[in-house]
Amino acid sequence: DAKTTQPPSMDCAEGRAANLPCNHSTISGNEYVYWYRQIHSQGPQYIIHGLKNNETNEMASLIITEDRKSSTLILPHATLRDTAVYYCIVRAPNTNAGKSTFGDGTTLTVKP
Amino acid sequence: NAGVTQTPKFRILKIGQSMTLQCAQDMNHNYMYWYRQDPGMGLKLIYYSVGAGITDKGEVPNGYNVSRSTTEDFPLRLELAAPSQTSVYFCASDRDPNTGELFFGEGSRLTVL
Repeated sequence: DAKTTQPPSMDCAEGRAANLPCNHSTISGNEYVYWYRQIHSQGPQYIIHGLKNNETNEMASLIITEDRKSSTLILPHATLRDTAVYYCIVRAPNTNAGKSTFGDGTTLTVKP
Repeated sequence: NAGVTQTPKFRILKIGQSMTLQCAQDMNHNYMYWYRQDPGMGLKLIYYSVGAGITDKGEVPNGYNVSRSTTEDFPLRLELAAPSQTSVYFCASDRDPNTGELFFGEGSRLTVL
């Protein structure tokens, strides 16, 4: 699986959009981008994943650049409960999801 | 539908003691995993299983053992606990390796003194 790079921390004002970047410049053509988050002391929670097209669900939007070397997770209206560590992971289909590397992630702090 | 359940949530061990962390899932997932997470760090894979009777080592297996006698249960055994094993342990299961959506338990916080 390709390596990912994320900023260690970010702040966001409550009610504003939070845009979390992830660099995956060595991504292969069949590798997906996944995002998880971990709210303090809890188990990580799946957010969204995508291959090349932008994706949206009830939690967030995922924007993947055309060259697929980077992506951005967007929380459209951040709340205090979105304060968490966000992990960007890259993996290929038919590979063991649990063997994906969860690095240090980005600590997002949503401020009132 | 409880998802992934871990017990105990907290435990203090003395050096050299042994214990088992329990993990159970009720989603009929074949794939199950154990991770450890040290303070301020990401998750490291200890062991994983792709089905009943099949287990394999992850990144940091030393000092641990697992078994998978049923689809539902995946216990993690710590033998001869050491202070280096002080960590938070997470169990996870996988609905489908192609979707990559891991379901995690709430964690077990272990302190070895």
